[in-house]
Amino acid sequence: GENVEQHPSTLSVQEGDSAVIKCTYSDSASNYFPWYKQELGKGPQLIIDIRSNVGEKKDQRIAVTLNKTAKHFSLHITETQPEDSAVYFCAASIENTDKLIFGTGTRLQVFP
Amino acid sequence: DAGVTQSPTHLIKTRGQQVTLRCSPKSGHDTVSWYQQALGQGPQFIFQYYEEEERQRGNFPDRFSGHQFPNYSSELNVNALLLGDSALYLCASSLGPLAGAHEQYFGPGTRLTVT
Repeated sequence: GENVEQHPSTLSVQEGDSAVIKCTYSDSASNYFPWYKQELGKGPQLIIDIRSNVGEKKDQRIAVTLNKTAKHFSLHITETQPEDSAVYFCAASIENTDKLIFGTGTRLQVFP
Repeated sequence: DAGVTQSPTHLIKTRGQQVTLRCSPKSGHDTVSWYQQALGQGPQFIFQYYEEEERQRGNFPDRFSGHQFPNYSSELNVNALLLGDSALYLCASSLGPLAGAHEQYFGPGTRLTVT
């Protein structure tokens, strides 16, 4: 079955720096890749997603890139702010199945 | 526009008991998926309901069952609770398979503790 690996498990950056989180997936049939932000005591919040027919997508300070050949996708956060501190999860699914397979999460800490 | 809601927020049960968790999807959504999130882990897919039927299932035993009502709300039932069932149970809603878009939006979860 599908497996998603996520690195790093923890990431500490200074406010204003960039943060990059990387994921790899195993099932070449996967074609939908969302990213979620989870704050303490809350459910995951969808922050950006990308489909396999697109190589890159950007939304203000957040961008996601996808390399289908290498089965890699990454989340890039620029100009980090303390409120970006949370656990971030990548996920993959085969579109039309809606069964999300999640990575193990990255705890991002942004220090003022 | 109400997002995904879940009840109760917290629940404490004893081993062997049964529990029912409830979810109301985001307005306009007709598909509900349930996930289990153990402490420090990513969510694990349990099953998904669409048109009041279980459409897909993850690697969870038959002790986990569900239901979807005509108003698209859903219940997750767990029988014969084990200590290992202690987790955050998340509900996610989305548009159905014919809609083309598959973004899933999560509720705040129900924290289940089994003692």
